[in-house]
Amino acid sequence: QSVLTQPPSASGTPGQRVTISCSGSSSNIGSNTVNWYQQLPGTAPKLLLYTNNQRPSGVPDRFSGSKSGTSASLAISGLQSEDEADYYCAAWDDSLNGWMFGGGTKLTVL
Amino acid sequence: QVQLQESGPGLVKPSETLSLTCSVSGGSINTYYCHWIRQPPGKGLEWIGYVYYIGSTNYNPSLQSRVTISLDTSKNQISLKLSSVTAADTAVYYCARSPSLYYAQIWGQGTMVTVSS
Repeated sequence: QSVLTQPPSASGTPGQRVTISCSGSSSNIGSNTVNWYQQLPGTAPKLLLYTNNQRPSGVPDRFSGSKSGTSASLAISGLQSEDEADYYCAAWDDSLNGWMFGGGTKLTVL
Repeated sequence: QVQLQESGPGLVKPSETLSLTCSVSGGSINTYYCHWIRQPPGKGLEWIGYVYYIGSTNYNPSLQSRVTISLDTSKNQISLKLSSVTAADTAVYYCARSPSLYYAQIWGQGTMVTVSS
């Protein structure tokens, strides 16, 4: 069972804005930064956001992140069909002394 | 463009040792963290551990007694060994390189390992 909690699924229509939440604790999100990964069907995960809200080169600014206390969220605006993927949050956990991943959220574009 | 490629046996017998290699091309592993992550079929991601370019390591406590991660900077390769495997170790195994301890910047395509007799 993942220490970081994400909703198992989310959905939206093209052009819509969707958010995906990630809930943790004081030992992970509460004291460390959050990163988000996108996993398109049948492919390896890809870094989507790091250090809460930083986009690697090539990631559209439709993707944004935020963190407050022991929770974080990923927002996708102007939803597109190619955004249909699994999304994982992750954070360093001081108790584990390693990474914790969320269970993943499957985003469906209707 | 930096690329990572995992390689190794796709089938390992129970109780044996899983051994994988990650080859880095188009860039160096010097000054970087190299992580191993795995994903059981249809499930989420699990961090296995990392090796820093100077050779220091850190492992997931749930796997620590069975895992060894090492690197060969002359070959630009990272290796993973997981001993006493069971069916629960069946997964796609990914290596990843990053300038940071806290996230994986570049991932390999992954390699599927099945534990079965």
